[in-house]
Amino acid sequence: KNEVEQSPQNLTAQEGEFITINCSYSVGISALHWLQQHPGGGIVSLFMLSSGKKKHGRLIATINIQEKHSSLHITASHPRDSAVYICAVGYSGTYKYIFGTGTRLKVLA
Amino acid sequence: DAGITQSPRHKVTETGTPVTLRCHQTENHRYMYWYRQDPGHGLRLIHYSYGVKDTDKGEVSDGYSVSRSKTEDFLLTLESATSSQTSVYFCAISDPTRGETEAFFGQGTRLTVV
Repeated sequence: KNEVEQSPQNLTAQEGEFITINCSYSVGISALHWLQQHPGGGIVSLFMLSSGKKKHGRLIATINIQEKHSSLHITASHPRDSAVYICAVGYSGTYKYIFGTGTRLKVLA
Repeated sequence: DAGITQSPRHKVTETGTPVTLRCHQTENHRYMYWYRQDPGHGLRLIHYSYGVKDTDKGEVSDGYSVSRSKTEDFLLTLESATSSQTSVYFCAISDPTRGETEAFFGQGTRLTVV
């Protein structure tokens, strides 16, 4: 059974800080997703990646397939980045996803 | 934003009553999913559909049924709601047949069973 673990569970940062959120999984996957959920809000897909690195604005996602590990980085963090960040993995042949429990980020002004 | 609409957005219902949640998409994606989100758990799959009238169970399907009579709509029914079904429910869509494995999510439905 594939397990997805995220760390840290909670994170408080000052505005402008560089933030890293980690995701580890136990079984080989076909793709990994990073999702964002604002309080009381819906879920938005930030990245989908199966290898290497992707960048969108101040967000950077990396994945190491051999180590079964992915990181989400936020540069120059801002209070509007405050949200829950969720890692989800998909694996071929099932079209299903396994989700981590999320990392709750709070960025203080 | 992907065209996914969930209705209702909020609902309070009594134990033992039937409840139906609707997910409507305008993206013509083949796969549709219902998840529930509870504190301390990642999103957990209730049921999913891989085409019209084609559905399958997820990991937490007990007490739920689904129907998909057309591509756009995926209905989740709680035949007799229980307090343990109080949760936030998310619909998602994807279409791996197009070479895309990215999933898109609705805004969620907050259901309270009293």
